[in-house]
Amino acid sequence: GIQVEQSPPDLILQEGANSTLRCNFSDSVNNLQWFHQNPWGQLINLFYIPSGTKQNGRLSATTVATERYSLLYISSSQTTDSGVYFCAADMGGSNYKLTFGKGTLLTVNP
Amino acid sequence: DGGITQSPKYLFRKEGQNVTLSCEQNLNHDAMYWYRQDPGQGLRLIYYSQIVNDFQKGDIAEGYSVSREKKESFPLTVTSAQKNPTAFYLCASRNRGREDTQYFGPGTRLTVL
Repeated sequence: GIQVEQSPPDLILQEGANSTLRCNFSDSVNNLQWFHQNPWGQLINLFYIPSGTKQNGRLSATTVATERYSLLYISSSQTTDSGVYFCAADMGGSNYKLTFGKGTLLTVNP
Repeated sequence: DGGITQSPKYLFRKEGQNVTLSCEQNLNHDAMYWYRQDPGQGLRLIYYSQIVNDFQKGDIAEGYSVSREKKESFPLTVTSAQKNPTAFYLCASRNRGREDTQYFGPGTRLTVL
């Protein structure tokens, strides 16, 4: 099956800083999503982005499908951005299940 | 409100007892999923169901069982055969479509004493 690798595993920022999280995947994808897990465990979908670029406020994401990677940009970070960011992908077809990366733990200090 | 509900939020059980975790969705999604998350770890797939009355094993199905009798409901039973059941359990649902987005419930924290 598809392999999903995320980097860096941990990231510590001061409030107001910008950051880039990376997701590499081993095969062509039909679906790629970014999620944020807050400190209480709730997972929120940030982007559905199998290709192209999307922006939502201070967050944006870009997937370059031909080169098999996706980037999540966080600008002007806030303490509420802290948590774990997961990338997940699938190749489509009959196995309709996402494979998750191990996540990036982001800590934003005030 | 549309979404996924999981109950209870916290659950304590004695070793050797079976326990059933509830997951309900009103998003009209065909596919539903159960994941397990251990502290500081990623998500591991336990079982998933793409349609009513059908389900498939995920990566760590041993010691767990599921049913999918209704589109809205996908309960997970943690049996006494599961060697280390203490974990955070997350339910999710998803629908094929133009924006094929997966949504998660709030999770159930299971502690086996």
